[in-house]
Amino acid sequence: DTAVSQTPKYLVTQMGNDKSIKCEQNLGHDTMYWYKQDSKKFLKIMFSYNNKELIINETVPNRFSPKSPDKAHLNLHINSLELGDSAVYFCASSQGRDRGVEKLFFGSGTQLSVL
Amino acid sequence: AQTVTQSQPEMSVQEAETVTLSCTYDTSESDYYLFWYKQPPSRQMILVIRQEAYKQQNATENRFSVNFQKAAKSFSLKISDSQLGDAAMYFCAYQEYNNNDMRFGAGTRLTVKP
Repeated sequence: DTAVSQTPKYLVTQMGNDKSIKCEQNLGHDTMYWYKQDSKKFLKIMFSYNNKELIINETVPNRFSPKSPDKAHLNLHINSLELGDSAVYFCASSQGRDRGVEKLFFGSGTQLSVL
Repeated sequence: AQTVTQSQPEMSVQEAETVTLSCTYDTSESDYYLFWYKQPPSRQMILVIRQEAYKQQNATENRFSVNFQKAAKSFSLKISDSQLGDAAMYFCAYQEYNNNDMRFGAGTRLTVKP
């Protein structure tokens, strides 16, 4: 029943490894997002896809690569993980038809710990 | 499961006046965070204010303040002297203290009238 689901919930890995976080939404939304929550609880947008097309790409190291196989999925791949990548990552979705303020639906987060 | 409820899908306020956005949540935990995030059209999420559940004193940030009622599980946001730039979607969020599990409310769209 979960509208936006992301897996895994926890991810503990060593520096230098490559890992992926998956996100799926069953709301029929056109737009999906990845946000990073830092230690001070700020939520920063990383990427946004609309109908599989990248529309927002903030200043994020190119080790981070989003992949959207279809509009219901937006996965986040991270190569050569670094200590500073440790954070909670949130996936979200919205209908994507409103150019103004959009209502976002969030997943419950993936806690990434890089050792 | 923890849930966050924002019962007001839309609110409007006259510029320079005060508005209160409501939020209630459900949890069996005693230690947690509560947040209000502002989302402008850029889709960025701006942290407006945060409250640690163990703190009895209500958090304030300039024109923004909260009324945190732990027993009632209520966390409302008051915006004083509203400005046109306050217009946005506001999300209430709950996050567990130990495992970072986070829940967002459905959002309240705030309109500020000049």
